[in-house]
Amino acid sequence: QITWKESGPTLVKPTETLTLTCTFSGFSLPTIGMGVGWIRQPPGKALECLGFFYWDDNKHYRTSLGSRVTITEDSSKNQVVLTMTNMDPVDTATYYCAHSIVYDSDWYGRTVSFDSWGQGTVVTVSS
Amino acid sequence: QSVLTQPPSASGTPGQRVTVSCSGSTFNIGSNTVNWYQQLPGTAPKLLIYSTDLRPSGVPDRFSASKSGTSASLAISGLHSEDEADYYCSAWDNSLNGQVFGGGTKLTVL
Repeated sequence: QITWKESGPTLVKPTETLTLTCTFSGFSLPTIGMGVGWIRQPPGKALECLGFFYWDDNKHYRTSLGSRVTITEDSSKNQVVLTMTNMDPVDTATYYCAHSIVYDSDWYGRTVSFDSWGQGTVVTVSS
Repeated sequence: QSVLTQPPSASGTPGQRVTVSCSGSTFNIGSNTVNWYQQLPGTAPKLLIYSTDLRPSGVPDRFSASKSGTSASLAISGLHSEDEADYYCSAWDNSLNGQVFGGGTKLTVL
């Protein structure tokens, strides 16, 4: 069973950098086919995948965020860290980390599924 | 504006069968598998369907899904009051090179 502990600020000021840490147990990195992603959800709105990385150290980031988002991992500590620079009030959201399973099939294409989620951290961007 | 399009709401009465649609393009649903998530009020999303039509362990077989071309659908049969939640579809997008979600469908059990 996968468990998560998320930590980080609940309030950041505009232009500041957000750093959120997810500490997990129940799986190991790197493990073929597995990874960790960050997903956010603005109040009353839909889910947005900010990015994720997987076992071969490949990383994908939401293109609309440009270079604002960085995901790093420390497999020795079982931690994954999200860093988002230049925060704006529109970035106010609940931020989730999630375990991902990634595999590619010549016939079916790519599957990226998030099968275990942290409880989420509510981050408000306000001066 | 979400890359995948879902109806904002759906409803049904207990015992009824309801479907939720998800429309995409050749870059996402047309080329890759679809996942569905259920989000109960105030909680984190839960994986309901993966790889288009597979259920994780513990998900009742009342939930089923399929896709055709660039559209996918989630069906819930024998609707229960506890099925009242938001449902999101998701797929990899080859053009955006990222995982995209639908706008979500709020299911109300009348």
